[in-house]
Amino acid sequence: DAKTTQPTSMDCAEGRAANLPCNHSTISGNEYVYWYRQIHSQGPQYIIHGLKNNETNEMASLIITEDRKSSTLILPHATLRDTAVYYCTRRGSSNTGKLIFGQGTTLQVKP
Amino acid sequence: GAVVSQHPSWVICKSGTSVKIECRSLDFQATTMFWYRQFPKQSLMLMATSNEGSKATYEQGVEKDKFLINHASLTLSTLTVTSAHPEDSSFYICSADRVQGGNEQFFGPGTRLTVL
Repeated sequence: DAKTTQPTSMDCAEGRAANLPCNHSTISGNEYVYWYRQIHSQGPQYIIHGLKNNETNEMASLIITEDRKSSTLILPHATLRDTAVYYCTRRGSSNTGKLIFGQGTTLQVKP
Repeated sequence: GAVVSQHPSWVICKSGTSVKIECRSLDFQATTMFWYRQFPKQSLMLMATSNEGSKATYEQGVEKDKFLINHASLTLSTLTVTSAHPEDSSFYICSADRVQGGNEQFFGPGTRLTVL
């Protein structure tokens, strides 16, 4: 049970922002939201994670709703190299704990 | 980000043989490592949690006698697929938690196993 729900696929135009939603309505108070992406035949790449506050790094921004039941990953200027499967997942706050992956969202960035 | 390596990157073996896959954290120590399996066009499925110096914890439905896990040091975990069969052919991926630092879990590049 991945405990997160994502759309199966999305398209985005190159240069535009890609907004990937995730539903995690059963998230516990001490669980972080994590985002990874996987390009074909490679290991997942860490993108970003957050608990309550919105987060931004060099790759993306993470917007978490106030009730923490959902979040959105934003790639501000999508490139063709951002085409991948994006996974939203969650884990506890003790810096341990397993990540359970759902089916993810296949993002296709088009020229 | 931190680097996790896997060796080999791909392996082909005959049915009935055993295959060992290594997972190393190259620039950090990891008390906990995880092993995943991924079939074509499917998501990652967690197989087991590997803890340094103790027995691995297997997910439901994963045969511990078939998938032997050893985590002998803070930088190395191994997965041995014993008596491999064609249905074991898959993409095996490990990940590692840093002992210190942020909450990120870093993944290796994966090992493609093909059993003939």
